[in-house]
Amino acid sequence: GAVVSQHPSRVICKSGTSVKIECRSLDFQATTMFWYRQFPKKSLMLMATSNEGSKATYEQGVEKDKFLINHASLTLSTLTVTSAHPEDSSFYICSASGRGNSYEQYFGPGTRLTVT
Amino acid sequence: ELKVEQNPLFLSMQEGKNYTIYCNYSTTSDRLYWYRQDPGKSLESLFVLLSNGAVKQEGRLMASLDTKARLSTLHITAAVHDLSATYFCAVDKGNKLIFGTGTLLAVQP
Repeated sequence: GAVVSQHPSRVICKSGTSVKIECRSLDFQATTMFWYRQFPKKSLMLMATSNEGSKATYEQGVEKDKFLINHASLTLSTLTVTSAHPEDSSFYICSASGRGNSYEQYFGPGTRLTVT
Repeated sequence: ELKVEQNPLFLSMQEGKNYTIYCNYSTTSDRLYWYRQDPGKSLESLFVLLSNGAVKQEGRLMASLDTKARLSTLHITAAVHDLSATYFCAVDKGNKLIFGTGTLLAVQP
């Protein structure tokens, strides 16, 4: 149990285009989902927290208009990188919590975004 | 602002040896986690430590938590090559995880 999937696992896009990444909790209802980004050889940085049916809460320094987060259901959250640029290239990881009212976060497999 | 520091950042050790990774954090927290990350992969949960004095062991890894000292340790016993990975601690603050800097462990034959 507690499986979280992400799609796509890898995406290459051209500068100026938008990319959508999906995060799904497969066997539990996730009341809260989190989005992280990770640069090579660096730690994970929390970008935003989203609760189902409400607006995401962004961390300081994260542009909400650039990284659009939607948490429309208890099993799906999406991150859209708008007008992507090469500096947005990164490893994006989502996590979900709420399984059995647990606080623990379950991590997805990650999405490698490369902007050319 | 909560800060989480790990040391060492890089650890090269021989198979069969023991070593400890340290995780210090700056403010009180309810929970502390340890994760493993292999190259190009996401996080694998290793331990959740919930209270002062908590100790958990799985195979060659043992984690402990001292909330008074704001310190957690991850002890590696008789290392094997398969343990080579990056290890992160993370501190829960208001249901947000603040990650440590990570420790890259390389176990040499």
